[in-house]
Amino acid sequence: EAGVTQFPSHSVIEKGQTVTLRCDPISGHDNLYWYRRVMGKEIKFLLHFVKESKQDESGMPNNRFLAERTGGTYSTLKVQPAELEDSGVYFCASSPRREATNAYEQYFGPGTRLTVT
Amino acid sequence: AQSVTQLGSHVSVSEGALVLLRCNYSSSVPPYLFWYVQYPNQGLQLLLKYTSAATLVKGINDFEAEFKKSETSFHLTKPSAHMSDAAEYFCAVSDRRSQGNLIFGKGTKLSVKP
Repeated sequence: EAGVTQFPSHSVIEKGQTVTLRCDPISGHDNLYWYRRVMGKEIKFLLHFVKESKQDESGMPNNRFLAERTGGTYSTLKVQPAELEDSGVYFCASSPRREATNAYEQYFGPGTRLTVT
Repeated sequence: AQSVTQLGSHVSVSEGALVLLRCNYSSSVPPYLFWYVQYPNQGLQLLLKYTSAATLVKGINDFEAEFKKSETSFHLTKPSAHMSDAAEYFCAVSDRRSQGNLIFGKGTKLSVKP
């Protein structure tokens, strides 16, 4: 079974540019999460999809961030326009539906390291 | 509100020595607790989890953790450190009522000396 994959692994962009990060969850996982770790800080929650619906987006920093999960499969996280403080590692995670025995286990991807210069 | 505190951003042990990584949590509802490990240039891997069954939880690579409600702690231990255990370890808590987000501690980097 393939794990959670993220693309790209690294991205270096200039302030003001747009970047789109992609996450492919484990096949069949209804829940998809985005997290971010800014250097020196803890990993922080951004948002949670259940299938294609946003369950919780309380962690999104501001309206420069837009997440989508069309069709309930892969998800994208767009940052437009990027600012210096957006630099960090963006993690995606997925978990099975509530009825599964391992429903509360989140499986993480390798992350995308975003550098805004 | 939930929170996690990991004592010690860096811990160094000798190979073969006991590993003890501390985690204290705060939660107004019964929590689920997790330990994740991140090896260099890799994603987070689940080491073990507490979901209200046995309070002593065994995970991969001989790691274990004990849930102590009275102390609001979930410390991670391993009897004998191996060089391959060098990594960053994260304690996390979530609300057992939902499949919501994980709240992480700041992480502890473990170094293992030969």
